[in-house]
Amino acid sequence: AQSVTQLDSQVPVFEEAPVELRCNYSSSVSVYLFWYVQYPNQGLQLLLKYLSGSTLVESINGFEAEFNKSQTSFHLRKPSVHISDTAEYFCAVSEKNTGNQFYFGTGTSLTVIP
Amino acid sequence: NAGVMQNPRHLVRRRGQEARLRCSPMKGHSHVYWYRQLPEEGLKFMVYLQKENIIDESGMPKERFSAEFPKEGPSILRIQQVVRGDSAAYFCASSPRQNTDTQYFGPGTRLTVL
Repeated sequence: AQSVTQLDSQVPVFEEAPVELRCNYSSSVSVYLFWYVQYPNQGLQLLLKYLSGSTLVESINGFEAEFNKSQTSFHLRKPSVHISDTAEYFCAVSEKNTGNQFYFGTGTSLTVIP
Repeated sequence: NAGVMQNPRHLVRRRGQEARLRCSPMKGHSHVYWYRQLPEEGLKFMVYLQKENIIDESGMPKERFSAEFPKEGPSILRIQQVVRGDSAAYFCASSPRQNTDTQYFGPGTRLTVL
């Protein structure tokens, strides 16, 4: 079974400042990696994912994440946050050959301060 | 193409009653996954179903919980004799095939047990 660790449960950041949300996973096998965002009282929306190829993946709203195999990390970054980025962010992992379930971290609550 | 649909969105039950949660996958998807999100926690896998078959129920509590995905109609997660600890958000996800690289999530059903 996988273990996904999001060390920061809450991250407050001022508007237009950069942010990094950390994610580490435990797998020794090939994995797919995901970041999901959850706005209050809503479901999960896929933000970005790493399947293969370039280790740097980007979303349409300015977020990016980099797969680091040696450190088993998939940290999420944004150079300049907006008020509308306030939400809960979940990192998730699935195993490539047995991807029947996703393993989620406990989430990071990002609060953007005006 | 409608997304994953779940109903009801909010469900209130008294202790001892039954809760039935419904999930209609995306069109063309025959694989359904149920997850539970306890307050201030990440999502935890419960069960994976294909049409008429339970493939993996390793995350389901041993008692009171059951799931089905009939040939016709939505997938149902059934909780008998609910207790306060069952209060959570229950999310359904679907995918077009096994070993998927993406799961599409519904908006969730928020169950409150009084």
